[in-house]
Amino acid sequence: GAVVSQHPSWVICKSGTSVKIECRSLDFQATTMFWYRQFPKQSLMLMATSNEGSKATYEQGVEKDKFLINHASLTLSTLTVTSAHPEDSSFYICSASAPTALQETQYFGPGTRLLVL
Amino acid sequence: AQKVTQVQTEISVVEKEDVTLDCVYETRDTTYYLFWYKQPPSGELVFLIRRNSFDEQNEISGRYSWNFQKSTSSFNFTITASQVVDSAVYFCALSGGSSNTGKLIFGQGTTLQVKP
Repeated sequence: GAVVSQHPSWVICKSGTSVKIECRSLDFQATTMFWYRQFPKQSLMLMATSNEGSKATYEQGVEKDKFLINHASLTLSTLTVTSAHPEDSSFYICSASAPTALQETQYFGPGTRLLVL
Repeated sequence: AQKVTQVQTEISVVEKEDVTLDCVYETRDTTYYLFWYKQPPSGELVFLIRRNSFDEQNEISGRYSWNFQKSTSSFNFTITASQVVDSAVYFCALSGGSSNTGKLIFGQGTTLQVKP
């Protein structure tokens, strides 16, 4: 149990385009989803916390107009990188936690590698 | 403020050796959770264990064991008889507290290389 998927796993795009990444909890309902960014050989940096049906809470320094987050259902959250630039190239990982005994444990998706040319 | 420190950046061992990954945390909260995650080269974070602040019992799961000591604010992870497949980056993390937003505070990670 507690499986989280992410799509796509890899994306290469041109500078200026927008990229949407989906995060799904496959076998549980996730009231809260988290989006992280990870640069090579570094730790995970939390970008935002997403609660179903409400606006996401962004961490300091993360541009909410740049990284649009939608959590429309208990099993799906999306991250859209708008007008992507080469500096947005990174590994993006989502996680989900559940409102049951699984709460307080985040289960992570496999990540999405974004390369902006 | 909450903080997690993993002082070992990289560890290299030979297969079948035992290895301990250190984790020290800081928090003023009395209720919190500690985690270990494994990140293999594929990138996905694999959940290994969760410990709450009221449970100081050590845990063993196969070749993995965890030593939680509140007195020293440490939550160390030992792999017994290491294998090449254990090669990965291991993250210690902390969550919980009065705000209880569920946010994870990660350490910087320890890269473990197990050589055959």
